[in-house]
Amino acid sequence: SQKIEQNSEALNIQEGKTATLTCNYTNYSPAYLQWYRQDPGRGPVFLLLIRENEKEKRKERLKVTFDTTLKQSLFHITASQPADSATYLCALLLTRGGYQKVTFGTGTKLQVIP
Amino acid sequence: NAGVMQNPRHLVRRRGQEARLRCSPMKGHSHVYWYRQLPEEGLKFMVYLQKENIIDESGMPKERFSAEFPKEGPSILRIQQVVRGDSAAYFCASSTTGPRSGNTIYFGEGSWLTVV
Repeated sequence: SQKIEQNSEALNIQEGKTATLTCNYTNYSPAYLQWYRQDPGRGPVFLLLIRENEKEKRKERLKVTFDTTLKQSLFHITASQPADSATYLCALLLTRGGYQKVTFGTGTKLQVIP
Repeated sequence: NAGVMQNPRHLVRRRGQEARLRCSPMKGHSHVYWYRQLPEEGLKFMVYLQKENIIDESGMPKERFSAEFPKEGPSILRIQQVVRGDSAAYFCASSTTGPRSGNTIYFGEGSWLTVV
């Protein structure tokens, strides 16, 4: 079965630095990969989607890369701010039974220190 | 345009009771998904429904759990005879079409079930 690995340990980073979060997966390569943000006691919020034929995607201070050879996605937040502190979830969209099933990693908790 | 609405936000049940969680998808969305999140664990897929149909329930426990999405009204996730291990956050999500072509799904704020 598909396995998705994200750093289970929290990532602490100084304000203004670039935060880099890792998502590794095994077995099948997904057609799409998504990143979500989740705050404590809240539902996940969609941030970015990247397709398998895209190497990189950007949105404001966010950048996602997708390496299907390494089976890895990296999620970068540049000029990080304390407000970026949250748990970030990687999600794979795998085709199954004629539709795509979304499978989530366990998430990495990011803490931006002022 | 209201987002995905879930209620109740918090629910406390004694062992053996029934829990009923409701989800109203975003306006215009006819596809609903339920996920469960245990403390310190990721979101686990439970079931995917379209109006009046269960498309994929591969993540649902075989017993005590059921889901429906009637023609009128919200989607319901029902847990009978709850046990302590059912304590978790249950998230509902919806989308305009099925999860094809990277279609984005939108999550509600979750229903936190505590079994005492």
